[in-house]
Amino acid sequence: GDSVTQMEGPVTLSEEAFLTINCTYTATGYPSLFWYVQYPGEGLQLLLKATKADDKGSNKGFEATYRKETTSFHLEKGSVQVSDSAVYFCALISGGGADGLTFGKGTHLIIQP
Amino acid sequence: DAGVIQSPRHEVTEMGQEVTLRCKPISGHNSLFWYRQTMMRGLELLIYFNNNVPIDDSGMPEDRFSAKMPNASFSTLKIQPSEPRDSAVYFCASSSRVSEQYFGPGTRLTVT
Repeated sequence: GDSVTQMEGPVTLSEEAFLTINCTYTATGYPSLFWYVQYPGEGLQLLLKATKADDKGSNKGFEATYRKETTSFHLEKGSVQVSDSAVYFCALISGGGADGLTFGKGTHLIIQP
Repeated sequence: DAGVIQSPRHEVTEMGQEVTLRCKPISGHNSLFWYRQTMMRGLELLIYFNNNVPIDDSGMPEDRFSAKMPNASFSTLKIQPSEPRDSAVYFCASSSRVSEQYFGPGTRLTVT
């Protein structure tokens, strides 16, 4: 079955540091890939997405590139802020229908001033 | 748009009681999903509906759990009887396409 593996946290960085959160996946066919963010006490929000190989999703300074050859979708940001502290989830949908997302375990990111 | 609406936001109940969680999807969305989030198991898909019809309920943990979607603007997730191991945050999400799913704020359920 489908699965998503992402680095476990917490990941603690200083403000303005470079961020990478690794994500790899196993899926049948050609999945669509997503990063969701969950701020404390809130639901998940879609951060960015990519629907085919070599696509780059970007939003709020975050980027991730769909790498079919390495089955990866690593999240990066050049300069993190304290407000980026949250839990980040990598996820995928495979198949052609409106199926549920398969999520990774989530990575807790803590940015210190 | 108000987004996905869930109620209640917090629910505390005693073991053995019936619990009903409610969800109002975004207007115009034709797919609705129920997820459960726990520290141990992360986010799990419980069931999803397409055009009000349940498509896949293989994630529902056991017969104590049931979900309905009587119309396009309302869904319920019911647990009867509830047990302490059901304590979790339950999310509802809706979508109109195969990609973006929009999540509600969640219901934090505590069963004592």
